[in-house]
Amino acid sequence: QKEVEQNSGPLSVPEGAIASLNCTYSDRGSQSFFWYRQYSGKSPELIMFIYSNGDKEDGRFTAQLNKASQYVSLLIRDSQPSDSATYLCAVNLKTSYDKVIFGPGTSLSVIP
Amino acid sequence: EPEVTQTPSHQVTQMGQEVILRCVPISNHLYFYWYRQILGQKVEFLVSFYNNEISEKSEIFDDQFSVERPDGSNFTLKIRSTKLEDSAMYFCASTPDREETQYFGPGTRLLVL
Repeated sequence: QKEVEQNSGPLSVPEGAIASLNCTYSDRGSQSFFWYRQYSGKSPELIMFIYSNGDKEDGRFTAQLNKASQYVSLLIRDSQPSDSATYLCAVNLKTSYDKVIFGPGTSLSVIP
Repeated sequence: EPEVTQTPSHQVTQMGQEVILRCVPISNHLYFYWYRQILGQKVEFLVSFYNNEISEKSEIFDDQFSVERPDGSNFTLKIRSTKLEDSAMYFCASTPDREETQYFGPGTRLLVL
């Protein structure tokens, strides 16, 4: 069974702090990795995607990928109350690019 | 900015009835997907569709489910005989290339009574 795992949280950080969200995946051949944000009752919204080992930065967000450790993370700098949401890690399987597996999500709460 | 649209936003049906959920993907996208999310649970892949045929489906997508692209714009998910456990939010997504980001619609909340 190909799985994507995340800590369910809730993760609470004070406003202005760095939030660190982690994800591990079991399919070693996975090639594409995505972070989505989901507000309650809404659809997933793409935050970042990463394909290569290392860091990728976009504004306040940094995605980090380590394929050897099968680990991907998302850092949110200068966290804002509007960042409070559930963050979903998603992975394309190498055996089937058409199938994206989502993790259970980590609930983030940014305290003003 | 182009977006994926879904109708209806909410659907209530009786157990055993057929429902059709509709999606209009972004116009230049070629790959289409359906996902579901039971309340409080994770997003689950149901099916992917390309070139007018199913390219991948999950174990959830049994004979009660079917998908169709009846014209150049709509992409539908049919559940033939709904069960209580089909109650969930159903999301449609599309992408121009299967290695790229999938763009999600706002979802249809299905409630089976």
